[in-house]
Amino acid sequence: QKEVEQDPGPLSVPEGAIVSLNCTYSNSAFQYFMWYRQYSRKGPELLMYTYSSGNKEDGRFTAQVDKSSKYISLFIRDSQPSDSATYLCAINSGGSNYKLTFGKGTLLTVNP
Amino acid sequence: GAGVSQTPSNKVTEKGKYVELRCDPISGHTALYWYRQSLGQGPEFLIYFQGTGAADDSGLPNDRFFAVRPEGSVSTLKIQRTERGDSAVYLCASSTGPQETQYFGPGTRLLVL
Repeated sequence: QKEVEQDPGPLSVPEGAIVSLNCTYSNSAFQYFMWYRQYSRKGPELLMYTYSSGNKEDGRFTAQVDKSSKYISLFIRDSQPSDSATYLCAINSGGSNYKLTFGKGTLLTVNP
Repeated sequence: GAGVSQTPSNKVTEKGKYVELRCDPISGHTALYWYRQSLGQGPEFLIYFQGTGAADDSGLPNDRFFAVRPEGSVSTLKIQRTERGDSAVYLCASSTGPQETQYFGPGTRLLVL
């Protein structure tokens, strides 16, 4: 079992839809949870960063962490064609740990 | 300000050749990381530098891979005797410290024929 599992999709939605992206992880030592967005032929860029269980909101984006279930989610409201990209969850165990463990990424297309 | 830059953006080489990939981190970032992203996969950690030293090279797949950062800024990833399985996007990231946000460059797409 991989440390981080993410459904690679692809996921195709109409403009304005609510998008839900998810990852599960196996290591309970993981403490820091990130979502990166990667446009085609670009490097990943950090979207959201959370530490504790619960929700964190930033504009149209909401990151949700459930440590008891080892489950993290990213919700995108009112999705736009410009949101079309690959979304990667990334996790690390914090402290002196610097290694990010990434999911496979989910390819999202928002159709106008 | 300028982000992380990587050169070349694309590299095509033949099996058995030697390649060097360069990373220019964000100015002032002491931590530098290399990751490898194969097609359809997320990035996988290769090596971490704090300053000039490789603090953790546990992700390097074998001894054909080596990386340096002689002056604590620019880093070069070196691959000897390239194999077709080395084809991937090599990503560099930098941060102000090991626990801080990692900022990624655009990557170098390596194709080994």
